[in-house]
Amino acid sequence: SQQGEEDPQALSIQEGENATMNCSYKTSINNLQWYRQNSGRGLVHLILIRSNEREKHSGRLRVTLDTSKKSSSLLITASRAADTASYFCATADSNYQLIWGAGTKLIIKP
Amino acid sequence: NAGVTQTPKFRVLKTGQSMTLLCAQDMNHEYMYWYRQDPGMGLRLIHYSVGEGTTAKGEVPDGYNVSRLKKQNFLLGLESAAPSQTSVYFCASSYRGAVSYEQYFGPGTRLTVT
Repeated sequence: SQQGEEDPQALSIQEGENATMNCSYKTSINNLQWYRQNSGRGLVHLILIRSNEREKHSGRLRVTLDTSKKSSSLLITASRAADTASYFCATADSNYQLIWGAGTKLIIKP
Repeated sequence: NAGVTQTPKFRVLKTGQSMTLLCAQDMNHEYMYWYRQDPGMGLRLIHYSVGEGTTAKGEVPDGYNVSRLKKQNFLLGLESAAPSQTSVYFCASSYRGAVSYEQYFGPGTRLTVT
């Protein structure tokens, strides 16, 4: 069953602009993770945010988590062409598996 | 350090044929996973393993079997392939469980069943 739902499904912005993607989930979680997938490649881990954290940064990435609303957002600042990819959120409610959303496809136009 | 590798990268099967996908990791990770990815959907867990010699069913295990005889390898078998198993298959590994650790992914195997 799909836990996370990303919004929007697709996003196209100009290089240099900021990109924001949202993820909503249904049940209580231990953590929420964001991954990037370049076309035809495997997924790469970006950030893990725990349920007791509200915000986390990594370089140009900022992730927020609102457990009361069961939602998270991923902000990519000063976007680059290399940021073109699909972005997935995944939630961990047990030690054994992540539950994945369907992803947001991000296109950065030069 | 190769990370997670998968073989083969591509495969075409006829309905009813069998095959084995091999996943190998060199990070000494305890947990390993097999996922399938279909268009417009997130990853769905097929089977996983929490250590050498152990396996467990995920969300969509029917039609697949797995084995983890060595810590570094996780094999996914299709005994009698069906067109519904046309998909991209990803193997992943993690140091420990999902509550604390991120997963590392292989490059994927694109399987077509005709």
